[in-house]
Amino acid sequence: DAGVIQSPRHEVTEMGQEVTLRCKPISGHDYLFWYRQTMMRGLELLIYFNNNVPIDDSGMPEDRFSAKMPNASFSTLKIQPSEPRDSAVYFCASSLGRGDRGDEQFFGPGTRLTVL
Amino acid sequence: QKEVEQDPGPLSVPEGAIVSLNCTYSNSAFQYFMWYRQYSRKGPELLMYTYSSGNKEDGRFTAQVDKSSKYISLFIRDSQPSDSATYLCAMNTNAGKSTFGDGTTLTVKP
Repeated sequence: DAGVIQSPRHEVTEMGQEVTLRCKPISGHDYLFWYRQTMMRGLELLIYFNNNVPIDDSGMPEDRFSAKMPNASFSTLKIQPSEPRDSAVYFCASSLGRGDRGDEQFFGPGTRLTVL
Repeated sequence: QKEVEQDPGPLSVPEGAIVSLNCTYSNSAFQYFMWYRQYSRKGPELLMYTYSSGNKEDGRFTAQVDKSSKYISLFIRDSQPSDSATYLCAMNTNAGKSTFGDGTTLTVKP
């Protein structure tokens, strides 16, 4: 398996524009997580899905953020409209969710977002 | 207050030193305790995993969990420049989400 795939790897956009981040989890993994990482705030969980259903979106900062998982092999995180404070590295991760190895999460390479 | 607090660092040590990385937590329901390692411009990867209290050793790495004190540690013996990375502790109650610390950045100087 190629691991968790994220696209794009880098995104530079202007304030007010819509941004869509994409993730393909590892096949067979039941859980999918979206994180945001900054120097100031560390690794923050934004939302996670179990079997394509959103379980906890309490980490989504505001209504400008939305996430979907239309099927087991694809998820999107959308920011509309984007603001400079959204600049961060966004990680997608997936896990089997069966208690083995503490439910090891496999992280993608991240999308580095810069909002000017 | 955060559920998981991690010593912030950064930490800089000479090659060969013993490194101690630490986290405290407040949720007594946590059962699984993990350490992830994150190299620059990469995603975190699982390094060590322990269930409940006790020690676990893997080569130069030892993970220690003290549930009575709500305290976990990662020790690195004979540290190498290749150990330079950010280390994040993580813990969870059962299947599902993990709660991560903010990470400690370690630099091992040759």
